[in-house]
Amino acid sequence: ETGVTQTPRHLVMGMTNKKSLKCEQHLGHNAMYWYKQSAKKPLELMFVYSLEERVENNSVPSRFSPECPNSSHLFLHLHTLQPEDSALYLCASSQAPETSGYNEQFFGPGTRLTVL
Amino acid sequence: LAKTTQPISMDSYEGQEVNITCSHNNIATNDYITWYQQFPSQGPRFIIQGYKTKVTNEVASLFIPADRKSSTLSLPRVSLSDTAVYYCLVGPGGSYIPTFGRGTSLIVHP
Repeated sequence: ETGVTQTPRHLVMGMTNKKSLKCEQHLGHNAMYWYKQSAKKPLELMFVYSLEERVENNSVPSRFSPECPNSSHLFLHLHTLQPEDSALYLCASSQAPETSGYNEQFFGPGTRLTVL
Repeated sequence: LAKTTQPISMDSYEGQEVNITCSHNNIATNDYITWYQQFPSQGPRFIIQGYKTKVTNEVASLFIPADRKSSTLSLPRVSLSDTAVYYCLVGPGGSYIPTFGRGTSLIVHP
């Protein structure tokens, strides 16, 4: 039990589908992150929410839309994805970087996404 | 943020000590050094963090020389379950968002 859960663990979708990934943290943190990890590539930071406000968006295509309704939940809405978007999507949480002198990240198990 | 360089891959055998060195020549005064471990198809897991000299916990030791331009993660008596990718990150304590590089892929052989 990592304290950060992600659902679903596996997802197969067509390019015209709309789906959402969910992340929930039970650690009392106030910052949450979405990362993408493609095969044999480094982790790519996609979005950061700190104190429930988006603080970073690393030039992610608009077909990915994040939502952070509160400090414990984070969603990634997917729409009209491409096959190259197939990857492991990881959620993480930490104390807010702006307020913490020690911002260890805790990761969820990830969602393995396959776009057909 | 300080750039880090670490070997792409390493091989070891069960019971051996493994040392993974990370270079960070332009480390800043307020930067900390953090190591994460990632197993296949899982998220990274924090292993250890240090600022200078030596830090030890139940999992690993971190050695940082006086000039802090490099650091070495030491895993004592590795087992097959230590096969993973190990990431070295350098950044100021707090107030930054960790950025992961390619890491070092460690394979432990029987």
